[in-house]
Amino acid sequence: GAGVSQSPSNKVTEKGKDVELRCDPISGHTALYWYRQSLGQGLEFLIYFQGNSAPDKSGLPSDRFSAERTGGSVSTLTIQRTQQEDSAVYLCASSSGWQPQHFGDGTRLSIL
Amino acid sequence: GENVEQHPSTLSVQEGDSAVIKCTYSDSASNYFPWYKQELGKRPQLIIDIRSNVGEKKDQRIAVTLNKTAKHFSLHITETQPEDSAVYFCAASKSSSNTGKLIFGQGTTLQVKP
Repeated sequence: GAGVSQSPSNKVTEKGKDVELRCDPISGHTALYWYRQSLGQGLEFLIYFQGNSAPDKSGLPSDRFSAERTGGSVSTLTIQRTQQEDSAVYLCASSSGWQPQHFGDGTRLSIL
Repeated sequence: GENVEQHPSTLSVQEGDSAVIKCTYSDSASNYFPWYKQELGKRPQLIIDIRSNVGEKKDQRIAVTLNKTAKHFSLHITETQPEDSAVYFCAASKSSSNTGKLIFGQGTTLQVKP
């Protein structure tokens, strides 16, 4: 596609439910990143996929968070047993080689 | 761990004046420093970036300077315009083959008054 696509754009769910967020990177981009942006805050790194290498999971805040990238393209970020502090905008970015990271519009997640 | 400090958190300037935002990074192995502009409710957009083998880079009204010794880099916007109003984020990363994970500063809200 022309840019990084994320879905859904908004998600409201009850505390304790599981959620899945999807990212479709720019076609051909080998690297895919997930970041989290809490209200009025900077972007916090979560996880990074590069080609067939093992992902860098060093930013995941707890074992409730996981992500996978199938076929080197689409990625899904899963949050299990959601908590209110998980409320944030989840941003996905992709890049290739030394090209800059391009961001999607994000998924705004609200936990009631 | 890796950390990026950004100052100021808010900045208000008159149209036509210059604006300077400063960032300091902790990891001396960092080698890539992008700046992103984020308008309200929008995605972050890259406005300029610099690599560690360069000390300064300019693109029209925007420039970035890097001091590797001090682990410090700055964004300079000249002749500011109301449409420059946004939140600006600096970031740093270290990687050998691509841009790698970005560690972001906390952001600077820039207001340009007409």
